[in-house]
Amino acid sequence: GEDVEQSLFLSVREGDSSVINCTYTDSSSTYLYWYKQEPGAGLQLLTYIFSNMDMKQDQRLTVLLNKKDKHLSLRIADTQTGDSAIYFCAEIPSGGSYIPTFGRGTSLIVHP
Amino acid sequence: DAGVIQSPRHEVTEMGQEVTLRCKPISGHNSLFWYRQTMMRGLELLIYFNNNVPIDDSGMPEDRFSAKMPNASFSTLKIQPSEPRDSAVYFCASSPGRPGQEYEQYFGPGTRLTVT
Repeated sequence: GEDVEQSLFLSVREGDSSVINCTYTDSSSTYLYWYKQEPGAGLQLLTYIFSNMDMKQDQRLTVLLNKKDKHLSLRIADTQTGDSAIYFCAEIPSGGSYIPTFGRGTSLIVHP
Repeated sequence: DAGVIQSPRHEVTEMGQEVTLRCKPISGHNSLFWYRQTMMRGLELLIYFNNNVPIDDSGMPEDRFSAKMPNASFSTLKIQPSEPRDSAVYFCASSPGRPGQEYEQYFGPGTRLTVT
């Protein structure tokens, strides 16, 4: 079955870049997502990448996909205190299922 | 667009009582998901509806849990009887189902349930 792994915590200084990593197991994964959860709120879709892509950039966010190693990363440039949140990686395997598998989430702490 | 609406936002109840959580998905979305989030188990999918029909309920913990979607704009998750171990944040999410967006999920703010 599918399994998505993330490290639990990441601490960075304001202004630095943050890199949040994720590994997945399903070799047929078609869609890979990043969600952000702020305290007391639901998950917010940040960005996604199709498995036929290596990179996607959206303003301060850069997603890198290494299909060989089944490794996905989210880079946040010029990290701000407002970026402090839990970041979830999710995969959806190809084959018609609409059910994502979420990682446990990485808590990003941004300090001045 | 109001986004996914959930009610109540907070619920405190005593063990043995019935609890009903409500969800209004985004208009035009054809898929709806109920999740439970706890520190111990993370985010768990409970049930998934497509076009108001339950497609996968394998994540529903036991018979005490039931979910309905009587129409495209409303769903309920019921727990009867509730137990302290049901304490969690319950999220509803909906998905557009349009080509290219069928896998995007939009989450509600959640209902924080505390069972004493």
